[in-house]
Amino acid sequence: DAKTTQPNSMESNEEEPVHLPCNHSTISGTDYIHWYRQLPSQGPEYVIHGLTSNVNNRMASLAIAEDRKSSTLILHRATLRDAAVYYCILTWYNQGGKLIFGQGTELSVKP
Amino acid sequence: ETGVTQTPRHLVMGMTNKKSLKCEQHLGHNAMYWYKQSAKKPLELMFVYSLEERVENNSVPSRFSPECPNSSHLFLHLHTLQPEDSALYLCASSQEDAGESVLTFGAGSRLTVL
Repeated sequence: DAKTTQPNSMESNEEEPVHLPCNHSTISGTDYIHWYRQLPSQGPEYVIHGLTSNVNNRMASLAIAEDRKSSTLILHRATLRDAAVYYCILTWYNQGGKLIFGQGTELSVKP
Repeated sequence: ETGVTQTPRHLVMGMTNKKSLKCEQHLGHNAMYWYKQSAKKPLELMFVYSLEERVENNSVPSRFSPECPNSSHLFLHLHTLQPEDSALYLCASSQEDAGESVLTFGAGSRLTVL
């Protein structure tokens, strides 16, 4: 299974952008890059995913390096409600929805 | 009701009890999952059901017994558990699609085994 590496924790100030990095140097050509987050006392929730091109949605942006060995989740203006553990996960063709979670990055947001 | 609903939200049981966790999804998805989240550990995939058939069992002890009677419901039957089984049990569902499947999780059932 292709693995991802994320920092254990990051800090941000409220209303500032946050860039959460993820390394996946063993990614294969058919692996999708997914991001989920888990707020305290809740189940994980989907944030965004992509394959090769950068992606934007109402929650965040995903920037994928040209060689696809790394990606960055961008929260454009962090709020206190964005404090959560963020997981970067690779999913491969024929895997369907079987996500393999790592430790993720615990994001704290200071007012 | 929308999304994925799990009941009960909290459960305390003794080691000799038998209990069940219930999950219901209202999204029309065709795959359902059980995950376990122990303190300070990553989520662990336990079981996968696709089109109501179990397609994966990740070496889970037999004291955990899943049941998927239809595409909307998933149960996890618990018996003779150990204290180390105390954890947050999360149910999820997805519309199975190679590589791009997006999982929707429930809020979880917090289990404490005494």
